[in-house]
Amino acid sequence: AQSVAQPEDQVNVAEGNPLTVKCTYSVSGNPYLFWYVQYPNRGLQFLLKYITGDNLVKGSYGFEAEFNKSQTSFHLKKPSALVSDSALYFCAVSHNQAGTALIFGKGTTLSVSS
Amino acid sequence: GAGVSQSPSNKVTEKGKDVELRCDPISGHTALYWYRQSLGQGLEFLIYFQGNSAPDKSGLPSDRFSAERTGGSVSTLTIQRTQQEDSAVYLCASSLGLAGGPTQYFGPGTRLTVL
Repeated sequence: AQSVAQPEDQVNVAEGNPLTVKCTYSVSGNPYLFWYVQYPNRGLQFLLKYITGDNLVKGSYGFEAEFNKSQTSFHLKKPSALVSDSALYFCAVSHNQAGTALIFGKGTTLSVSS
Repeated sequence: GAGVSQSPSNKVTEKGKDVELRCDPISGHTALYWYRQSLGQGLEFLIYFQGNSAPDKSGLPSDRFSAERTGGSVSTLTIQRTQQEDSAVYLCASSLGLAGGPTQYFGPGTRLTVL
């Protein structure tokens, strides 16, 4: 069965510092991996995805993520955090074909202090 | 262009009543998904449509839940005889489906409160 783990409920970082939000996954075969962000009372906003190719994926708002097959991880990173990055972040996985359901992690709340 | 839209944004109903939630996907997106977000269960998949067909209904929690999609566009999620545990945010997403990439784009959700 597919599963996603986000081991941290909350990540706190000071503005200007680098941030990492962790994600590990379990899926048979090669996965599609995604990061979404959710602001209060809003839907999910797509940040980036890994399908194939380069393990370092760049996405919206300066975020990037690194796919590590041996560690089954897909951690979200940003070199310099902004207060406006404070939100709820979800990692998701699906089988490597279009039209399959996303399995989400429980989410990590990122809090960036000024 | 326009994103995924959902209506109503909020719905309060009494236990035992039926409710209908609507989703308008991004134009040209053949795949449509329903998810549910609740405090206790996180984000759960409910059902997936490709065109008007639903090849995956595995996430529907009970036979009180049903969904349809017409014209390869609008979808309606119906919950019959609502229960308090149905209270959640219902999210709709669409993607290019089999003809394109797997990225799902989400609507703002419908917050359902069952009293």
